[in-house]
Amino acid sequence: DQQVKQNSPSLSVQEGRISILNCDYTNSMFDYFLWYKKYPAEGPTFLISISSIKDKNEDGRFTVFLNKSAKHLSLHIVPSQPGDSAVYFCAASGISNFGNEKLTFGTGTRLTIIP
Amino acid sequence: DAGVTQSPTHLIKTRGQQVTLRCSPISGHKSVSWYQQVLGQGPQFIFQYYEKEERGRGNFPDRFSARQFPNYSSELNVNALLLGDSALYLCASSLGGSGAGELFFGEGSRLTVL
Repeated sequence: DQQVKQNSPSLSVQEGRISILNCDYTNSMFDYFLWYKKYPAEGPTFLISISSIKDKNEDGRFTVFLNKSAKHLSLHIVPSQPGDSAVYFCAASGISNFGNEKLTFGTGTRLTIIP
Repeated sequence: DAGVTQSPTHLIKTRGQQVTLRCSPISGHKSVSWYQQVLGQGPQFIFQYYEKEERGRGNFPDRFSARQFPNYSSELNVNALLLGDSALYLCASSLGGSGAGELFFGEGSRLTVL
C-alpha cells in the first residue's frame, strides 16, 4: 500500500530551466510534508517542508506547493543547476502523533540536470 | 560539527546470521529513527526511539529490534538474516519530542546477505 507516490522515476531538465517534481499521497491523516535529496553513497538531506496549514513554502531556489484537496504536492527548482542532479524523495508525516516522527517516503525521482 | 555517524558502512553476512548496526546521533539530539532502503525504493520506517523509549515501530518482523542508550546512541539488531534483508539501513536523528520535523540522516550501513 503505497501511501506516498512519486510516479516519475526520472526527469531530465536543461540547466537554467525549471524542474518540477511531483508527489501524490492517499492518507488524509498526513499533515506535514518534506522533500529530501539524496546523492549516491550519502544519506538523504532535508531540502524543504510544508505544513498542511499552508499551500506554499519558499526557500531560495526551492518552492513546495501543496494542494490538499487533490492530495498533491510539487517541488519547483528554479533555476536548475548541475549540482541539483540527485534522487529526490517526497515524505509525509502526521504531526498529530505526539513524539512519533515516522516519515512515509515515496519511491523517489532521479533528477538529471543537463548542462 | 559531527553529523549522524553509522557503523559499519558496509558488511556482508550469510543467511541465518545476526547483525548489529550502530548509530551516533548529532550532539544534543535525543531522538533516533531507523529506516530500511531497498534498492529502487524509498526509505521505510523501522523504529523510532526518544529518551530511550520506543515511540514508533514500522511493519517489520520481530527479528528486527533496537535500543537506545543513555548517551542517545542506538543499535539496530536483525536476527536470522534473510536474503531480503539486504538493504541500506539509515539512521536519522532529531531533537525529538514534538512530533514530525526535520530528520538528519547518516550515510547508512549497506548490508548484503548472501
